[in-house]
Amino acid sequence: GNSVTQMEGPVTLSEEAFLTINCTYTATGYPSLFWYVQYPGEGLQLLLKATKADDKGSNKGFEATYRKETTSFHLEKGSVQVSDSAVYFCALIYSSARQLTFGSGTQLTVLP
Amino acid sequence: EAGVTQFPSHSVIEKGQTVTLRCDPISGHDNLYWYRRVMGKEIKFLLHFVKESKQDESGMPNNRFLAERTGGTYSTLKVQPAELEDSGVYFCASSREVGELFFGEGSRLTVL
Repeated sequence: GNSVTQMEGPVTLSEEAFLTINCTYTATGYPSLFWYVQYPGEGLQLLLKATKADDKGSNKGFEATYRKETTSFHLEKGSVQVSDSAVYFCALIYSSARQLTFGSGTQLTVLP
Repeated sequence: EAGVTQFPSHSVIEKGQTVTLRCDPISGHDNLYWYRRVMGKEIKFLLHFVKESKQDESGMPNNRFLAERTGGTYSTLKVQPAELEDSGVYFCASSREVGELFFGEGSRLTVL
């Protein structure tokens, strides 16, 4: 079946540090890939997405590239801020399905 | 436009009791989903409504869980009787025919 494996947390960084959260997936075919974020006290929000190989999703300074050859969708940000502290979830979905398959989430804490 | 709202935000009950979680989707969204995150693990799909019909309930863990969406508007998820392993965060999401899923803040359930 489909699965998503993401870097275990928690991750603690200083402000302006470089962030990478690894995500790899197991799936047949070509799913769409997503990063969701949950800020404290809020719901899950779509952060960025990529729908085909080599696509790069980007939003709020975050980027992730759909790598078919390595089945990966790593999340990166060049300079994190305290306000980026949240839980980040990698996920995939097939266009024919309506179920998102999520990874286990990575807690990020950014210290001033 | 109001987002997906869930109630209660947190419920603490004893094993064997009953809890009912409610989700109000975004107005006009026919698709409604329930997901849950148990013990800090991955978020898992429970079921999917299209209007008042259950499109896919393959993720429902057992018959102690009952979801309804009478009239195709809000949905309830009842757990009866609750067990310790049901503790977690229950997320609701809604979407139009094809498109992004919008999630609520989640309802945290603690079973003692």
